[in-house]
Amino acid sequence: DAGVTQSPTHLIKTRGQQVTLRCSPKSGHDTVSWYQQALGQGPQFIFQYYEEEERQRGNFPDRFSGHQFPNYSSELNVNALLLGDSALYLCASSLYSGINYGYTFGSGTRLTVV
Amino acid sequence: DAKTTQPNSMESNEEEPVHLPCNHSTISGTDYIHWYRQLPSQGPEYVIHGLTSNVNNRMASLAIAEDRKSSTLILHRATLRDAAVYYCILEGSNYKLTFGKGTLLTVNP
Repeated sequence: DAGVTQSPTHLIKTRGQQVTLRCSPKSGHDTVSWYQQALGQGPQFIFQYYEEEERQRGNFPDRFSGHQFPNYSSELNVNALLLGDSALYLCASSLYSGINYGYTFGSGTRLTVV
Repeated sequence: DAKTTQPNSMESNEEEPVHLPCNHSTISGTDYIHWYRQLPSQGPEYVIHGLTSNVNNRMASLAIAEDRKSSTLILHRATLRDAAVYYCILEGSNYKLTFGKGTLLTVNP
């Protein structure tokens, strides 16, 4: 059973550019969350999508946006990239059933902004 | 968001039990206690979670204090593959996990 799949695994972008990261949730999961992890820090919550809508958002600027598709996959878009956006971006999926089964994380996309 | 406090690092020997502590004195009644671990160059991996009662699974046990202000993750026999950063996290009704810096567990052969 495939877990969470993220693409690409690594990416190098120039300051000011835009980037799109992709996530396919674990089979059977319908909710996708995105996290940013800077080097040496714990992951920080960006937002969560359920039923194609943003359900909750962390303390990130509007340059960070997302989308969830009918097949539950998701994209994270970051506009006007800054050097400080360099980080590991993690996608986590879960099942919104009223019972907490935990989250499954992907291995992440390593974004480097130069 | 309710916060957790964990030691920065701990060390254990292979095949010995490991008790990883976590304090969460501001926990609310509906907060779940989650434990995740993260190996280098990988995403966090779910270990265990609970609400009030102690929990066991194939990976670990979670002991929750009666007042819920602290918990302990127990690895019954540490292996080299258990070396990782362990995060204790409270999840409330706001659908997000708030990670701290976690505990870096070193397992000695």
